[in-house]
Amino acid sequence: QVQLVQSGAEVKKPGASVKVSCKASGYTFTSYGISWVRQAPGQGLEWMGWISAYNGNTNYAQKLQGRVTMTTDTSTSTAYMELRSLRSDDTAVYYCARAELPHYGMDVWGQGTTVTVSS
Amino acid sequence: QSALTQPASVSGSPGQSITISCTGTSSDVGGYNYVSWYQQHPGKAPKLMIYDVSNRPSGVSNRFSGSKSGNTASLTISGLQAEDEADYYCSSYTSSSTPVFGGGTKLTVL
Repeated sequence: QVQLVQSGAEVKKPGASVKVSCKASGYTFTSYGISWVRQAPGQGLEWMGWISAYNGNTNYAQKLQGRVTMTTDTSTSTAYMELRSLRSDDTAVYYCARAELPHYGMDVWGQGTTVTVSS
Repeated sequence: QSALTQPASVSGSPGQSITISCTGTSSDVGGYNYVSWYQQHPGKAPKLMIYDVSNRPSGVSNRFSGSKSGNTASLTISGLQAEDEADYYCSSYTSSSTPVFGGGTKLTVL
């Protein structure tokens, strides 16, 4: 079945970096893109960006430009999201989701990865 | 890009119909037919319920329907069931070439 499986929970100190992985299976990885969405505790959803698994083109949310990098490894059908210079307000559940294009509906979601930023 | 405006909460009794609104501007909801709706149960990942304003993915109940008028999109759930109790989020493409989410609506089934 089509699924996205994310890496495990992370605890980081302010100023550090985190890299979350998202392994796809059950479909042709390069036929879709991957969006990343985060959700702070008790808050709503925030779109972070999108990467094409076909050619690596990216589209990032303006507020995260310069701190976030999204990549893919087509040999393992895995997408990665790296967030640098972590702050306490980056504490959230991070989701990857399949999306053909940035503005298309996200039809398959990973289980979420909790990232906690605390000194 | 500002978040789309959704009511914080709505409620309804089993069997009734409810509508959740999602208000934006001509730079997002009103300008594009790329509105999606997501359902999220506590502690779970979101689930796509509607895409491109009014299309249902395979497997989503036909009790869920979407529409748009001007700068406001709407999600209607008919024949309300207990399992529909969840948070609902709208999302729209924007003139910044990025999507934006609404603040979310908590649906309570009485």
